[in-house]
Amino acid sequence: RKEVEQDPGPFNVPEGATVAFNCTYSNSASQSFFWYRQDCRKEPKLLMSVYSSGNEDGRFTAQLNRASQYISLLIRDSKLSDSATYLCVVNSGGGADGLTFGKGTHLIIQP
Amino acid sequence: GAVVSQHPSWVICKSGTSVKIECRSLDFQATTMFWYRQFPKQSLMLMATSNEGSKATYEQGVEKDKFLINHASLTLSTLTVTSAHPEDSSFYICSAGVGGLGNIQYFGAGTRLSVL
Repeated sequence: RKEVEQDPGPFNVPEGATVAFNCTYSNSASQSFFWYRQDCRKEPKLLMSVYSSGNEDGRFTAQLNRASQYISLLIRDSKLSDSATYLCVVNSGGGADGLTFGKGTHLIIQP
Repeated sequence: GAVVSQHPSWVICKSGTSVKIECRSLDFQATTMFWYRQFPKQSLMLMATSNEGSKATYEQGVEKDKFLINHASLTLSTLTVTSAHPEDSSFYICSAGVGGLGNIQYFGAGTRLSVL
């Protein structure tokens, strides 16, 4: 069973629309959760951490459901520049542990 | 955010040669750095955890004698791919964490290795 699973997409969405993706993780002891964004042939960049109470950063909203072991990301009023691969990332240990990445969800915003 | 510098960004080499990749934390000290590898259309996979002043911890299936890691200072970790072969061609990325539990990791720009 894969540790972090995401729908790879691609999701083709018109500019201005709202789009959401989910991610599930298998390790119930996981402690930290993040969404990273990766552009083609570039390194991942942190989009936002995900907190149990849910959190929002501008057009982006992240939520965590520990009971069901899934994480979601909602993007409102999507922009062309939002086109990228969104990586669901889990840290199962403390600060000394490496991250576990999902394969990513490919998002394409169409004009 | 914190800055992690990784060099070189792109390497083309012949089969059998060794390639060294450097990862530096520019504005913070990192006792732990991480090395990942990403094949096309695949997720990033943790290769090893680099610990300052001690031996690296390798993930299952990663050959420690092939991927040599040195973390001699709090701001520099190096990964050497020894006797590289075409199957080692990949995108190698390092990261360093800031803070403790729940820390955020910042990534270097990555090194694209192509072995001919």
